[in-house]
Amino acid sequence: DAGVIQSPRHEVTEMGQEVTLRCKPISGHNSLFWYRQTMMRGLELLIYFNNNVPIDDSGMPEDRFSAKMPNASFSTLKIQPSEPRDSAVYFCASRATGRETNEKLFFGSGTQLSVL
Amino acid sequence: DAKTTQPPSMDCAEGRAANLPCNHSTISGNEYVYWYRQIHSQGPQYIIHGLKNNETNEMASLIITEDRKSSTLILPHATLRDTAVYYCIVRSRTGTASKLTFGTGTRLQVTL
Repeated sequence: DAGVIQSPRHEVTEMGQEVTLRCKPISGHNSLFWYRQTMMRGLELLIYFNNNVPIDDSGMPEDRFSAKMPNASFSTLKIQPSEPRDSAVYFCASRATGRETNEKLFFGSGTQLSVL
Repeated sequence: DAKTTQPPSMDCAEGRAANLPCNHSTISGNEYVYWYRQIHSQGPQYIIHGLKNNETNEMASLIITEDRKSSTLILPHATLRDTAVYYCIVRSRTGTASKLTFGTGTRLQVTL
């Protein structure tokens, strides 16, 4: 299995531009998570989906951020318009939910976003 | 979820056992202890988890005290590649919808 695949690996954009980050979870996993990591705030959970349905988006910083999961194999995180304070590493993770407690998340390599 | 407390940093000599402590004094009966690590420039990686019994896998051992108020992650023979930030997380099981909250972790530096 290729693991969780994120693209792009690096993104540099100018303030005000739209940014779209992409994630392909591990096949068969039915939960997907978007995290953001900065030096100041550490790893923050932005939103997570279960069976393609957004369950908790309380971590999404503001309306400029939106996330979708149109099918079980693809998710996007969009920032429009982007601002310099959005600069961070964005991680996607997926999980297979079973009957027993299972918080074994598999993380992608992340997208390093720089907004100038 | 119960709050966890970890030392901000630790050093360990290569080849020695690395013992990373975690305090979770407010843990409740249905909460599990999870450990993840994050090597520089990579996404976090699951290591191990447990409820009350000690656990061991190919990566590490997890020792949970009898009162479950603290735990220790043990890397039996640390290598330079084990240099990373180690996160201790306590999480309850609440159906299929649950989430992990990462704290600040312990930065482990393995040295020659």
